[in-house]
Amino acid sequence: GESVGLHLPTLSVQEGDNSIINCAYSNSASDYFIWYKQESGKGPQFIIDIRSNMDKRQGQRVTVLLNKTVKHLSLQIAATQPGDSAVYFCAENMGDTDKLIFGTGTRLQVFP
Amino acid sequence: GAVVSQHPSWVICKSGTSVKIECRSLDFQATTMFWYRQFPKQSLMLMATSNEGSKATYEQGVEKDKFLINHASLTLSTLTVTSAHPEDSSFYICSVPRGSNTEAFFGQGTRLTVV
Repeated sequence: GESVGLHLPTLSVQEGDNSIINCAYSNSASDYFIWYKQESGKGPQFIIDIRSNMDKRQGQRVTVLLNKTVKHLSLQIAATQPGDSAVYFCAENMGDTDKLIFGTGTRLQVFP
Repeated sequence: GAVVSQHPSWVICKSGTSVKIECRSLDFQATTMFWYRQFPKQSLMLMATSNEGSKATYEQGVEKDKFLINHASLTLSTLTVTSAHPEDSSFYICSVPRGSNTEAFFGQGTRLTVV
């Protein structure tokens, strides 16, 4: 379904700690998921993606976990840095089109 | 470098006027592009699918006569906000998909302020 216009939750972490950002997606038929990072006043930037035939994928400092049973996606950021401060969105693709539907988003704040 | 260029990055217009926003795909021939709207502290809401050479497909609740979309070439889609009102003030973002199950690339966004 479409993302609801809720205000963004915030996750505050100390520099160097690990961050975990969660997302609940809406459609059990979705077969492709992406995490995007959005800095203030800019368009979303790709971080990492995962297909529904996988449950984990790792990138540089980031890991995405997919739990299809409960329709849950998470983004783990290792050794969080000040430059990681941004809003993070998960997006789902339902496979039959190229449409991406965005989740609510989470603001990550990194403090020294 | 950017693969999707959006212009302008910001615009201020008077109520009742129309504003055109351009989205260019710089390195990919896009038969489809997407337009999103984002209000402050909220998520991206899909407005419409821009289809090259045919009519755009609008999401439920989006007025097609207010948000005119033209996709005349494989590298350019335009969104025109007609008879703009203050409630149309928002951040408009376009994206260019590269196919199913692949990432989409986003433009830099356009901040529209209607006064």
